[in-house]
Amino acid sequence: DTGVSQDPRHKITKRGQNVTFRCDPISEHNRLYWYRQTLGQGPEFLTYFQNEAQLEKSRLLSDRFSAERPKGSFSTLEIQRTEQGDSAMYLCASSFTGNEAFFGQGTRLTVV
Amino acid sequence: DQQVKQNSPSLSVQEGRISILNCDYTNSMFDYFLWYKKYPAEGPTFLISISSIKDKNEDGRFTVFLNKSAKHLSLHIVPSQPGDSAVYFCAARENFGNEKLTFGTGTRLTIIP
Repeated sequence: DTGVSQDPRHKITKRGQNVTFRCDPISEHNRLYWYRQTLGQGPEFLTYFQNEAQLEKSRLLSDRFSAERPKGSFSTLEIQRTEQGDSAMYLCASSFTGNEAFFGQGTRLTVV
Repeated sequence: DQQVKQNSPSLSVQEGRISILNCDYTNSMFDYFLWYKKYPAEGPTFLISISSIKDKNEDGRFTVFLNKSAKHLSLHIVPSQPGDSAVYFCAARENFGNEKLTFGTGTRLTIIP
């Protein structure tokens, strides 16, 4: 499978715990994006990497959120001290041209 | 502030007929538009896109129309098939170099056999 891969697919955590998600983009894609989707809404932009450089961050990305893309390959998104409002689907996408972004299947986070 | 709006939360169409999904936007800086399709428990799948220098783009059964003066785009699916039943998202991007996509809230399309 050469698509965008996300791990885990589902995560249930207690409020206050830290969680980390991983995204493996399509291998030749230099651009990587994180989005968040809540029920009844479209995906909302969180952050964007070109190679290893994080070039844009949304105001939605509070200080509790951090994303990395070491060596310009896979990326991780960490949420510290999770809150119930963090419950959502976290989507990773990658692209080569900056036009069409291809999405992974997402990680569904539930904070209890 | 919803910059991309899909005002129809749902749409039902008979199999074989045309499905028309609509999208309106307010940001005049948007110059590239995309449609994505999403099945439950999966990520969005890219369908078709259009640049603001065009008013129409076709790919098989899918055609996207762009009316810049009205800030409106539509996706036509002809003929509609049962496998087209999904949620469709319209997305837009500002000038090239700004990588962020702004999505609408989606339209759930149901194809009736």
